[in-house]
Amino acid sequence: QKEVEQNSGPLSVPEGAIASLNCTYSDRGSQSFFWYRQYSGKSPELIMFIYSNGDKEDGRFTAQLNKASQYVSLLIRDSQPSDSATYLCAVNPGGNNRLAFGKGNQVVVIP
Amino acid sequence: NAGVTQTPKFQVLKTGQSMTLQCAQDMNHNSMYWYRQDPGMGLRLIYYSASEGTTDKGEVPNGYNVSRLNKREFSLRLESAAPSQTSVYFCASSKAGVKDTQYFGPGTRLTVL
Repeated sequence: QKEVEQNSGPLSVPEGAIASLNCTYSDRGSQSFFWYRQYSGKSPELIMFIYSNGDKEDGRFTAQLNKASQYVSLLIRDSQPSDSATYLCAVNPGGNNRLAFGKGNQVVVIP
Repeated sequence: NAGVTQTPKFQVLKTGQSMTLQCAQDMNHNSMYWYRQDPGMGLRLIYYSASEGTTDKGEVPNGYNVSRLNKREFSLRLESAAPSQTSVYFCASSKAGVKDTQYFGPGTRLTVL
């Protein structure tokens, strides 16, 4: 089982709708969780991090962490065309400062 | 602050040629990383350096070597390039702790013919 898995396939959402992305991880000892956004041809940039169970909100973005079920999710409210990008889930399995990345989810916001 | 810088931005090599990708950060970070990104494969760690003077293998180290020249600079060398090394290479850095964010450079797009 891969360390970090993201559900496959591009996600198309109408402008103004909520985009929901999910990520599962295999190492129960994982301590920190990150969501990166990557525009085509660009480098990943951090949009959210979360360490504790529950929700964390930052503007239109909400990260949700459930350590018991080993998943982390990202909600994008009021989706905008500028949110069209690939979103990468990253997990620090603990013990060192390496990150394991999922393959990413492409989000397409349709005006 | 420039953050994380990488050179070159683009490179075309012939099979068997060698080259070094350069990376520098000005954020006083302790840890630095080299990743490659291929379509459908996500980001895969090649090598990392937890602190100045140390380097460790990541998920896909074969065919690569690294040098942590000083706290700021971390280079990646391809001794004998192969077409399978055609990829986009990203350098990243972070402070050091498990909760610390990694910041990425702009990437180097490498094609090996």
